[in-house]
Amino acid sequence: DGGITQSPKYLFRKEGQNVTLSCEQNLNHDAMYWYRQDPGQGLRLIYYSQIVNDFQKGDIAEGYSVSREKKESFPLTVTSAQKNPTAFYLCASSIAGIPYEQYFGPGTRLTVT
Amino acid sequence: SQKIEQNSEALNIQEGKTATLTCNYTNYSPAYLQWYRQDPGRGPVFLLLIRENEKEKRKERLKVTFDTTLKQSLFHITASQPADSATYLCAGYSSASKIIFGSGTRLSIRP
Repeated sequence: DGGITQSPKYLFRKEGQNVTLSCEQNLNHDAMYWYRQDPGQGLRLIYYSQIVNDFQKGDIAEGYSVSREKKESFPLTVTSAQKNPTAFYLCASSIAGIPYEQYFGPGTRLTVT
Repeated sequence: SQKIEQNSEALNIQEGKTATLTCNYTNYSPAYLQWYRQDPGRGPVFLLLIRENEKEKRKERLKVTFDTTLKQSLFHITASQPADSATYLCAGYSSASKIIFGSGTRLSIRP
């Protein structure tokens, strides 16, 4: 899993609650990404950030929010507006610019009931 | 819409044989394709990258091809081992579409 940590590994929440997933990297990478993975589907990009204090929406940003206050950290908040939040969430990082190689964290499995 | 498609059916082969996985892309032209390995409950691990102007890339027992005419990449594992059992993801990058991932193909190598 390289130098990226995600916590916790498993997370359970009640519907209607916001929840924040942690992602930290010590690879000195400028770019960081959040993906969602559902059974039988490819990874879908939620948000990405190429530099501190800047981030862009990916393909499925609705119901999610992020911040990038430090180079090492890129937390993801799953808000109550996300209609189907139960999924496996993956954080990744790469050098800035074109992501020739992404390093992924171990993932957080979020279950909302 | 732009897609990366991989065979959703699991591939089961005998140890020692060559495993071949297919990745097809539609409605866009990726500048490069990546292959990742993912074990259950874990994050993907990067294996290989091949650019659109490259025909073939090798790394140890792995070989990747890129055919822009067929819009396809093939991923080969030679002398397969049970430890190669995993899900393999294909991803394509273009400056317009960024990275698009396929859903992966599960590979099982039986002893």
